[in-house]
Amino acid sequence: NAGVTQTPKFRILKIGQSMTLQCTQDMNHNYMYWYRQDPGMGLKLIYYSVGAGITDKGEVPNGYNVSRSTTEDFPLRLELAAPSQTSVYFCASTNRGYRETQYFGPGTRLLVL
Amino acid sequence: DQQVKQNSPSLSVQEGRISILNCDYTNSMFDYFLWYKKYPAEGPTFLISISSIKDKNEDGRFTVFLNKSAKHLSLHIVPSQPGDSAVYFCAGNGGTSYGKLTFGQGTILTVHP
Repeated sequence: NAGVTQTPKFRILKIGQSMTLQCTQDMNHNYMYWYRQDPGMGLKLIYYSVGAGITDKGEVPNGYNVSRSTTEDFPLRLELAAPSQTSVYFCASTNRGYRETQYFGPGTRLLVL
Repeated sequence: DQQVKQNSPSLSVQEGRISILNCDYTNSMFDYFLWYKKYPAEGPTFLISISSIKDKNEDGRFTVFLNKSAKHLSLHIVPSQPGDSAVYFCAGNGGTSYGKLTFGQGTILTVHP
């Protein structure tokens, strides 16, 4: 039982490039989330999903897109990378959402130059 | 508008003594709170939670206290151990059906041998 896995661990992008951050969970959780953490700050919600085919915006969605075609996978797409997207990205999942512990992946560190 | 605040960026404690980490919140819709611990280059891991119907929850060396009237919670670690050295985040949950967590900025705890 691997929990929540994320790839890649680290990536450098040039301004204007695109990439997809991968997230997979093997706990059969319905709810999945993408957060970003900037230095000295707490985690902020980018997008979330309550099940396959259902996604919605969080607090800071601009510049990102998501899809959820299976229960297990919740990829985050960056189009036209900007320096402001330099951050550490965490994926999380939980079973029922509200009042439940969210389990986090190890994170993807992204540097946009 | 920072709805969850951890006003102490860092805390240094001697091994064996008590560590007290504080957290204040402003959103009255929060009714469930969680503490996460984060080591460098890893994702946050769940530590302990508390529902707003309680004022205390204990798990081994970790105790969380909630003062609803003051909108304040604290995490006590007794006795502190060097392995507890990490960043601690508090998070509030409530007001949404999808389980959004609102995080504080984190407190760096260093436990000296």
